[in-house]
Amino acid sequence: GESVGLHLPTLSVQEGDNSIINCAYSNSASDYFIWYKQESGKGPQFIIDIRSNMDKRQGQRVTVLLNKTVKHLSLQIAATQPGDSAVYFCAEFHSGGYQKVTFGTGTKLQVIP
Amino acid sequence: NAGVTQTPKFRVLKTGQSMTLLCAQDMNHEYMYWYRQDPGMGLRLIHYSVGEGTTAKGEVPDGYNVSRLKKQNFLLGLESAAPSQTSVYFCASSYGRNNSPLHFGNGTRLTVT
Repeated sequence: GESVGLHLPTLSVQEGDNSIINCAYSNSASDYFIWYKQESGKGPQFIIDIRSNMDKRQGQRVTVLLNKTVKHLSLQIAATQPGDSAVYFCAEFHSGGYQKVTFGTGTKLQVIP
Repeated sequence: NAGVTQTPKFRVLKTGQSMTLLCAQDMNHEYMYWYRQDPGMGLRLIHYSVGEGTTAKGEVPDGYNVSRLKKQNFLLGLESAAPSQTSVYFCASSYGRNNSPLHFGNGTRLTVT
């Protein structure tokens, strides 16, 4: 079946180091992906997206990599800061109809000062 | 521009009681969604709407009803609350065209005793 999952439930990194959060997806028809950040008590916040015709996209301190061959998505955060502590999850979009979306369960990122 | 606003933020219900969760968006989005988020699980779609006056079932619709009388508002109703409906509920909206991100509210934490 369709699924979006994360390899690591919790990731602890030292402040200033780079963080890498991974996501596996199973639907080869998915054509759009988003990384969301969710802080405690808040709703998911859009970080960065990527379309299936791309394999890399960069934002401010964040980079998303897409490997369609192995159906893998990663989020890289450069120079991780305490404010980056949150749960991160990926979302997989399949076009058609109401734009079906599958969300991963999330990885908790803990930044150690 | 407030984005997506949900009310109330918290609510405690007794089994069998009813309530309505309110969602409002000021981005002129066509599509609106109601999700529930439970520990260890990804966001699950309850109901959605692709435009004013239209609603449709998501993957976990039982026990819930929705209405979209105005484009900017999407209401989620629980007619007879059950403990299994204890969850955090998120409303989201999007332009609806392919590859358009979902924007989320900050959630309503509902406890049914």
